[in-house]
Amino acid sequence: DSGVTQTPKHLITATGQRVTLRCSPRSGDLSVYWYQQSLDQGLQFLIQYYNGEERAKGNILERFSAQQFPDLHSELNLSSLELGDSALYFCASSPGGTSGLQETQYFGPGTRLLVL
Amino acid sequence: AQSVTQLDSQVPVFEEAPVELRCNYSSSVSVYLFWYVQYPNQGLQLLLKYLSGSTLVKGINGFEAEFNKSQTSFHLRKPSVHISDTAEYFCAVIPLSGGYNKLIFGAGTRLAVHP
Repeated sequence: DSGVTQTPKHLITATGQRVTLRCSPRSGDLSVYWYQQSLDQGLQFLIQYYNGEERAKGNILERFSAQQFPDLHSELNLSSLELGDSALYFCASSPGGTSGLQETQYFGPGTRLLVL
Repeated sequence: AQSVTQLDSQVPVFEEAPVELRCNYSSSVSVYLFWYVQYPNQGLQLLLKYLSGSTLVKGINGFEAEFNKSQTSFHLRKPSVHISDTAEYFCAVIPLSGGYNKLIFGAGTRLAVHP
């Protein structure tokens, strides 16, 4: 158990809909990362937040957005869903301290999204 | 830009045999290197990482990896595998430029250990 929790575990929805994925980082971790794992694209970095502020952006679609709240939990919002958005979405967290790039990222169990 | 190539998508092996999972990377800047494991229906767990120093890195569960700068490789090895090692293994890098620790992953290697 990494200490990172994600809800829900599974989500089934229809095209055009909007969903919200939630992530609670390990206690004390300030950085949260979102990754998408799909069959055709593999594991891709989407976005990172540090202590409530966006830190880095990867291949995140404009239909997707994220935020990190004062209690440090994060939400990933996916809108106007398409079939190709079906994937496993992982959240990871790290302390966000002075270790910087050397920090280990601890991954949650993921949310499996199926768009029908 | 950086990229990671895992040369084998699937590796079947018998229990107690040695295994090597191959990883090559391409980068114009220095990188940190990582191996993660994903067991069925679970998240990713860090096996080991190379930051600097000795090029032979030991990780959890008896795994080790060797960094070869000239060949830009970071192959993962285990001298004797167990059934419980059956999982997907991901090689990843973090480029040292940019200041952002976003992991860039390879496509993964599925290790199947047979009795």
